Amino acid sequence: EVQLVESGGGLVKPGGSLKLSCAASGFTFSSYAMSWVRQSPEKRLEWVAEISSGGSYTYYPDTVTGRFTISRDNAKNTLYLEMSSLRSEDTAMYYCVRYELRRGYFDVWGAGTTVTVSS
Amino acid sequence: QIVLTQSPAIMSASPGEKVTMTCSASSSISYMHWYQQKPGTSPKRWIYDTSKLASGVPARFSGSGSGTSYSLTISSMEAEDAATYYCHQRSSYTFGGGTKLEIK
Repeated sequence: EVQLVESGGGLVKPGGSLKLSCAASGFTFSSYAMSWVRQSPEKRLEWVAEISSGGSYTYYPDTVTGRFTISRDNAKNTLYLEMSSLRSEDTAMYYCVRYELRRGYFDVWGAGTTVTVSS
Repeated sequence: QIVLTQSPAIMSASPGEKVTMTCSASSSISYMHWYQQKPGTSPKRWIYDTSKLASGVPARFSGSGSGTSYSLTISSMEAEDAATYYCHQRSSYTFGGGTKLEIK
């Protein structure tokens, strides 16, 4: 069974840092591009990072560039998202998502991990 | 950045009723993808490449469109179809704001 399991969410103060992890199983992790997508409390979905299958290429929207870093360890079948200089507007459910690169859709989603930025 | 606008934001339908929701893009795009999300769960890929149904999606669902106008249609509403549906396009990775579909 294809599965993505996120961990590492929690409560953090504004300006703080947090690192999310995503354990992948049931598919050849190293063959797929991966992304993180977040959903705000208002239920708005926003893509926040993408990494190529080999890890050489990363992409971010302007809203998180310079603050978020996506990485992966293909030997451990694990995806990461390091977040720094966190703001209240980063409060969201963060989903680890497998990305079908050729057609541009997110085809497998994890259950998500909640990040709350508050003093 | 391409902006996706979904309408209506909220709608309700009776069992057996035909349902259509739309997604309008601010610039022309080649394909639209749709995701279904039920409360307390993560989104699921539902329709991809504008009109292809993901595995397990009932045949009463269909997708269509081109250019800047796309739609998701349910031929006959069932209670299990109540959910929020999001459109998504790859050019700038943006999502629409969602259409919440409720059962009457």
